Amino acid sequence: NAGVTQTPKFRILKIGQSMTLQCTQDMNHNYMYWYRQDPGMGLKLIYYSVGAGITDKGEVPNGYNVSRSTTEDFPLRLELAAPSQTSVYFCASSYLGTGNTIYFGEGSWLTVV
Amino acid sequence: AQKITQTQPGMFVQEKEAVTLDCTYDTSDQSYGLFWYKQPSSGEMIFLIYQGSYDEQNATEGRYSLNFQKARKSANLVISASQLGDSAMYFCAMREGSNSGYALNFGKGTSLLVTP
Repeated sequence: NAGVTQTPKFRILKIGQSMTLQCTQDMNHNYMYWYRQDPGMGLKLIYYSVGAGITDKGEVPNGYNVSRSTTEDFPLRLELAAPSQTSVYFCASSYLGTGNTIYFGEGSWLTVV
Repeated sequence: AQKITQTQPGMFVQEKEAVTLDCTYDTSDQSYGLFWYKQPSSGEMIFLIYQGSYDEQNATEGRYSLNFQKARKSANLVISASQLGDSAMYFCAMREGSNSGYALNFGKGTSLLVTP
């Protein structure tokens, strides 16, 4: 079972460059999330989506954009990369509600130099 | 305001001993879920245990148990018979309906080191 797939796993960007982190899930989940994790810290929510065509900002959305054209895909776009965006990015998905079925991708390590 | 508080930045425990990792939470929702995740040095998030706010019994999963004290808003993780492989970061998280599409809200984590 594929679950939640993130690509790329590692990337080095130069300041001012742009890139897209891809996230795909094959479980037909409505809810999808992007988090970032800075060194020694917990995960912070960047954006989330409750279904295709519906996205909203989380706690730390500045410098990022998302789209959700299909149920499966939830790409995260970094525009004009800055050193402050050096972080580990996690995509996650779930069906709905407060239950325990939340699946995480393996993470994407991004360094901006 | 911090929703999830983990007051222990780092903990040490000897192999085969039990250890408790503290977590307190803040919510006004009646329905919510509490989670613990393990993050080894390889970086992936590994789900350990879940407690629903309406669950009357404390959750258990193998060597992991969750000491849920609803009135005190406390959800401590107990690891029994610690193993060297338990050395990792541990995150407490809460999921509530009023928060961002039921997104998990994470604490800052506790680093656990298991010594021989």
